[in-house]
Amino acid sequence: QVQLQESGPGLVNPSETLSLTCNVSGASVSSSYWSWVRQPPGRGLEWLAYTHYSASTNFNPSLNGRVTISLDTSTNQLSLKLTSVTAADTAVYFCARDQPVYGGFDYWGQGTLVTVSS
Amino acid sequence: SYDLTQPPSVSVSPGQTATITCSGDNLENYYTCWYRKKPGQSPDLVIYRDNKRPSGIPDRYSGSNSGNTATLTISETQSLDEADYFCQAWDSTIGRAFGGGTKLTIL
Repeated sequence: QVQLQESGPGLVNPSETLSLTCNVSGASVSSSYWSWVRQPPGRGLEWLAYTHYSASTNFNPSLNGRVTISLDTSTNQLSLKLTSVTAADTAVYFCARDQPVYGGFDYWGQGTLVTVSS
Repeated sequence: SYDLTQPPSVSVSPGQTATITCSGDNLENYYTCWYRKKPGQSPDLVIYRDNKRPSGIPDRYSGSNSGNTATLTISETQSLDEADYFCQAWDSTIGRAFGGGTKLTIL
């Protein structure tokens, strides 16, 4: 059974960098695409970025280059960095397995709430 | 970025059919999928590649994609179907765009 678990600080100061990690079990991170998605309070889902072991990546242009996404095959983890955060980046952040065979995300983490506030 | 438009809300009575639309420019050119999300939970994939159901999703759920519109249909609706539903367009050129979501209420 594939399982994903996000971790990271729940509170980040404005203008600083948000860093999250997603631990993957039951599958190798080199076996698929992986994405980050967020949901601000009371709002919809927003795709942030995807990556693949081949180094293929794609980013939501609305984030204006603030996002970095990477894989660590030694720890089987996915990571996200979002720079220059503001209150608008407050959201529940999810990692998800991004499967071309589905054309969608078949496994998701439970999500982690990140609040941007001083 | 690629924009997808969904109605904010849809309401039906139990046992009726719920239809949720998702509109985007030439949407038929991309794979679309649908997610069901309940408060405090992560999303569940209910339709992929326009009209296919993952294992465990009942055949009351169906999908289609033609022209500029993808449609999720839920027949014989039950209270457990009440949730937010999000469409997604999936492609290497546009990334993984989500629609704004539709709140399905079973009256």
